[in-house]
Amino acid sequence: QVQLVQSGAEVKKPGASVKVSCRASGYTFNTYTMHWVRQAPGQRLEWMGWINAANGNTKYSQKFQGRVTIIRDISASAAYMELSSLRSEDTAMYYCARGREYNSSPYVDVWGKGTTVTVSS
Amino acid sequence: QSVLTQPPSVSGAPGQRVTISCTGSSSNIGALYDVHWYQQVPGTAPKLLIYGNANRPSGVPDRFSGSKSGTSASLAITGLQAEDEADYYCQSYDSSLNGHVFGTGTKVTVL
Repeated sequence: QVQLVQSGAEVKKPGASVKVSCRASGYTFNTYTMHWVRQAPGQRLEWMGWINAANGNTKYSQKFQGRVTIIRDISASAAYMELSSLRSEDTAMYYCARGREYNSSPYVDVWGKGTTVTVSS
Repeated sequence: QSVLTQPPSVSGAPGQRVTISCTGSSSNIGALYDVHWYQQVPGTAPKLLIYGNANRPSGVPDRFSGSKSGTSASLAITGLQAEDEADYYCQSYDSSLNGHVFGTGTKVTVL
């Protein structure tokens, strides 16, 4: 079955960077996009960006442009999300999710279990 | 910025029907982008519930249905069950923001 396995929880100091991994299995990795979505405690879901696993093209939310980098490693069937210049407001659960499209409208159909990132001095 | 607005909460007794609205604008739902819905049980990852306005993925009960009209969409849950108690989010694409947008989220409580 399709699975997305994410790396473990992280604790970082303000100003640092964090890199979260997402390893895919059960499907051909480079035929889908991979999205990253975060959720601060008690808050709504927030889309961060996606990567086309076939060609490595990326698109980022305007909110995170300049601070977020998404890459992929086809040989490892994995995607990575790095967020820099961390601040306390970045404390959240970070999810990877497989991208799909219907009538040219993108959505995600399979989610990882999430990675907790805590930013604290 | 929240561009898709949902009611904070809805509730109903077991067996009843509840609906959740998702109000957007001319740059997202009104621009003919489809609406998708996700269910999130507290403490777990979201799960795809409806895609393309009204389509259910395999395994999703037909108690869940979606619709879209103009700049809004709705999710209906009929025959409400205790296991339906969760947060529900709509999602679409916004051409002004050039990215995906999620709704503000709705907590469904089964009385």
